[in-house]
Amino acid sequence: NAGVMQNPRHLVRRRGQEARLRCSPMKGHSHVYWYRQLPEEGLKFMVYLQKENIIDESGMPKERFSAEFPKEGPSILRIQQVVRGDSAAYFCASSLGDNNEKLFFGSGTQLSVL
Amino acid sequence: AQSVTQLDSQVPVFEEAPVELRCNYSSSVSVYLFWYVQYPNQGLQLLLKYLSGSTLVKGINGFEAEFNKSQTSFHLRKPSVHISDTAEYFCAVSEGRSARQLTFGSGTQLTVLP
Repeated sequence: NAGVMQNPRHLVRRRGQEARLRCSPMKGHSHVYWYRQLPEEGLKFMVYLQKENIIDESGMPKERFSAEFPKEGPSILRIQQVVRGDSAAYFCASSLGDNNEKLFFGSGTQLSVL
Repeated sequence: AQSVTQLDSQVPVFEEAPVELRCNYSSSVSVYLFWYVQYPNQGLQLLLKYLSGSTLVKGINGFEAEFNKSQTSFHLRKPSVHISDTAEYFCAVSEGRSARQLTFGSGTQLTVLP
């Protein structure tokens, strides 16, 4: 059952380090979304990508955050020079098209910044 | 702008008792409504959705929800819960069909006690 795979499950970084979060979508899905869940809050949309293209990054902080979805390999969410406020659960989801009815989520990466 | 409020962060209930998880939303336009469930160490799974039509929506695992437009609510109910229903439940609202437009509540942890 090849669902949406995220790794690592848990990631600990010190302030100033880089965090790289990976997401492999479901087989056949070319649409990937990243969401962030801060403590005590709901998931919030960050970025929407299709293969090799960023379609919508309106929810992503302008600095230190970047995302990619290369032709081969998983989607990567990169956070440079992490700060304590970046501590959160980061969820990836994939779909066949841009449709919120048929969205499949990974189990998330819990990022902790010391 | 749309928003979602899940009033209860924790709901403990005994096995075979009924449960209601509350969800209220605000939006200036018509919305689509969703409930997702996250079991431990798994991704979010769609439990049920309201797009249009009948205001009573039935989902998987015996759950149902009722859309109440006048009260802007979409409460989730189950007449008799099982231990296996222990999970985090997220309500979500969207003003359109895109996954980018999903806004999630902060979640309700349902714990079913023996």
